Amino acid sequence: GIQVEQSPPDLILQEGANSTLRCNFSDSVNNLQWFHQNPWGQLINLFYIPSGTKQNGRLSATTVATERYSLLYISSSQTTDSGVYFCAVPLEYGNKLVFGAGTILRVKS
Amino acid sequence: KAGVTQTPRYLIKTRGQQVTLSCSPISGHRSVSWYQQTPGQGLQFLFEYFSETQRNKGNFPGRFSGRQFSNSRSEMNVSTLELGDSALYLCASSTGTSGPETQYFGPGTRLLVL
Repeated sequence: GIQVEQSPPDLILQEGANSTLRCNFSDSVNNLQWFHQNPWGQLINLFYIPSGTKQNGRLSATTVATERYSLLYISSSQTTDSGVYFCAVPLEYGNKLVFGAGTILRVKS
Repeated sequence: KAGVTQTPRYLIKTRGQQVTLSCSPISGHRSVSWYQQTPGQGLQFLFEYFSETQRNKGNFPGRFSGRQFSNSRSEMNVSTLELGDSALYLCASSTGTSGPETQYFGPGTRLLVL
């Protein structure tokens, strides 16, 4: 089955710094989602981005489907950005998502 | 629109018992998927229901089962609980009618098996 790898596994930033999180996938996909898991466990949708670039405030994401990777950019990080970031791609028909292992982000004030 | 809701939020059970978790999708959504999250295995797909039918299934033993009602609410059941079933159980909803699409997750149910 498809493999999803995220890097780095852990990231510590000073407030105000920028960061780039990467998601590699082993097979062609027609959908990719980025999520932020908050300290209470809820997965918050960030982007649905099968290809191209999208921006939402301080966050943006780029997916290059032909090269099988996606990047999540966080600019001017804030302590509230802390948490775990996951990328996920669908497998087979329907909505079965395969998740990466996540990147744990800690933003220090 | 109200988001995805899950009940209960926390649950403590003992080995051998069974448990039922509930998920109410966003209004108008007909697809409900369930995931298990553990520190060791990460987020793993359990199953997906669409229009009261199981459409996809992950690699979990038969102790894990689910169903969906005509109003799209879904329940999952775990029988004969084991310590390893301690996890955060998340459900996600989507319209389910147009192939891979954005999925919206609920707050989860934390299950502790003692």
